[in-house]
Amino acid sequence: NAGVTQTPKFQVLKTGQSMTLQCAQDMNHEYMSWYRQDPGMGLRLIHYSVGAGITDQGEVPNGYNVSRSTTEDFPLRLLSAAPSQTSVYFCASSYSPGAGEKLFFGSGTQLSVL
Amino acid sequence: QKEVEQDPGPLSVPEGAIVSLNCTYSNSAFQYFMWYRQYSRKGPELLMYTYSSGNKEDGRFTAQVDKSSKYISLFIRDSQPSDSATYLCAMVPNDYKLSFGAGTTVTVRA
Repeated sequence: NAGVTQTPKFQVLKTGQSMTLQCAQDMNHEYMSWYRQDPGMGLRLIHYSVGAGITDQGEVPNGYNVSRSTTEDFPLRLLSAAPSQTSVYFCASSYSPGAGEKLFFGSGTQLSVL
Repeated sequence: QKEVEQDPGPLSVPEGAIVSLNCTYSNSAFQYFMWYRQYSRKGPELLMYTYSSGNKEDGRFTAQVDKSSKYISLFIRDSQPSDSATYLCAMVPNDYKLSFGAGTTVTVRA
């Protein structure tokens, strides 16, 4: 049972570089989301998707892009990395979080931007 | 002001003690209330959820919701070293945007 798979686990970028964080789930969940976790801030929603072809912004979307071409995959793109984007990123999926269904989280990507 | 406020601790208790964790919230539209547990360098996992005021028990864990006071709690009885983790409260209205608390780091000393 793979669940939610995130790659890479660690990444170091230089300011201005771009990269894509990968997320895949094998539970046929329609809902997928990206969070960042910073000390003292908890988990903050970046972007989410309620199905293939449908995405929307969360609380902190600036500097990030997403797309959802398949049910399984939901990559997060950093367009031009900034030190403020140093964080731990989590991908999560669910059947229906709006109905209280639980989120399944990946193991996270630790990103450092120098 | 953040929608969900949670004391980040840290909280250190001896084994066997009762752990009490709390969150307050400001959005009266929140309908579902959850507690997630996160071990170091791992993703959060759902521990408990409820959608109504009152208490819900699951083994050593009790979740309590008071919608009139906009206050939720998690109690851990007979705490064990394996309960050492960060506990995050989470809430959702009837859409997809969950709001998380900052998380409280708990250490249970053997």
